[in-house]
Amino acid sequence: QKEVEQDPGPLSVPEGAIVSLNCTYSNSAFQYFMWYRQYSRKGPELLMYTYSSGNKEDGRFTAQVDKSSKYISLFIRDSQPSDSATYLCAMSGDQGAQKLVFGQGTRLTINP
Amino acid sequence: ETGVTQTPRHLVMGMTNKKSLKCEQHLGHNAMYWYKQSAKKPLELMFVYNFKEQTENNSVPSRFSPECPNSSHLFLHLHTLQPEDSALYLCASSHGQGGPPDTQYFGPGTRLTVL
Repeated sequence: QKEVEQDPGPLSVPEGAIVSLNCTYSNSAFQYFMWYRQYSRKGPELLMYTYSSGNKEDGRFTAQVDKSSKYISLFIRDSQPSDSATYLCAMSGDQGAQKLVFGQGTRLTINP
Repeated sequence: ETGVTQTPRHLVMGMTNKKSLKCEQHLGHNAMYWYKQSAKKPLELMFVYNFKEQTENNSVPSRFSPECPNSSHLFLHLHTLQPEDSALYLCASSHGQGGPPDTQYFGPGTRLTVL
């Protein structure tokens, strides 16, 4: 079993839709949860991070962590064509903050 | 130039060649990383350096040899690679100080093709 599972997609939605991206994990030691966005031919860039359980909102983006279910989500409201990218979840524990474990990434396309 | 830069952006090499990938960070960070990104696989951490010292080697084959001469530069020396080593090689850096999270900033990557 992979430590982090993420549906690779591809996921295609119309502009303006609400997008839900998810990851599940098996390691209960994970405490920090991150979402990276990777455009084609670019390196990943950090979009959001959350600590432990709860929600965090930043503009059109909301990250949710449910540690009891070992499940994290990223919601994108009012999606734009510029949101088209691959979204990677990543996580680490307190003792291994530099050892990020990544999901496979979900390729998202927002259609105008 | 700002952020994390990587050269070359594309590299094609034969299995008997020796080549090197270069990474430079302009963020004043103390930790640097090499990752491998293959199609349909998660990013795989290869090496971590903190203050020029290697602190993580994720069971990487010896045909990959990292070098960190200072906190701003990181190299990955390649020799006798295999076709399955073809991938995007990403460099990242982070502060490397204080508690987690230690946010990592990535370069654009070097697309490596081994023939």
